[in-house]
Amino acid sequence: DAGVTQSPTHLIKTRGQQVTLRCSPKSGHDTVSWYQQALGQGPQFIFQYYEEEERQRGNFPDRFSGHQFPNYSSELNVNALLLGDSALYLCASSRSDRAGNTIYFGEGSWLTVV
Amino acid sequence: GNSVTQMEGPVTLSEEAFLTINCTYTATGYPSLFWYVQYPGEGLQLLLKATKADDKGSNKGFEATYRKETTSFHLEKGSVQVSDSAVYFCALSQNAPGKSTFGDGTTLTVKP
Repeated sequence: DAGVTQSPTHLIKTRGQQVTLRCSPKSGHDTVSWYQQALGQGPQFIFQYYEEEERQRGNFPDRFSGHQFPNYSSELNVNALLLGDSALYLCASSRSDRAGNTIYFGEGSWLTVV
Repeated sequence: GNSVTQMEGPVTLSEEAFLTINCTYTATGYPSLFWYVQYPGEGLQLLLKATKADDKGSNKGFEATYRKETTSFHLEKGSVQVSDSAVYFCALSQNAPGKSTFGDGTTLTVKP
């Protein structure tokens, strides 16, 4: 049973460009959440997708957007990249049927903005 | 809003020493509490969890007890190994599966 998979694992972008990160959730999971983890900090919640809609959002600007597909996979898009967007982007999946369900993380996508 | 505060690191211990990493939280109601571990270059792995007051989560020799009265969820291990060297994150989740609030992490280094 594959866990949460993310791609790409590493990428370098130039300030002002746009980036798309991808995530496939763990089998049986219907909810995908995205987190940003800056160096030396804990993950910060960006947003969450369920039933192909954004269900919750953290304190991130509209430059951060996403999508969920019918197979529950998800994309995170960041427009007009800033140097401060350099971070590890983590995807997490979970089941929606109970609040205390465990979330499973992928290994992340390292984004460097130069 | 919700918040999680972890003891500041880094923490350096000798092998077989006792480990405590403090974690306190602020939340309304009864959140679920988690400890995650992150090894170098990897994503987060769930270490243990507790979903209600007085529950004790345990895994791989690590333990933490959900203390509602002190809003704490301290991580302990009786005898650490070099392989336990990693960053440990305390987190809470409330009412929203998949949305968790994390502390800033505590780096543990265990020396032989």
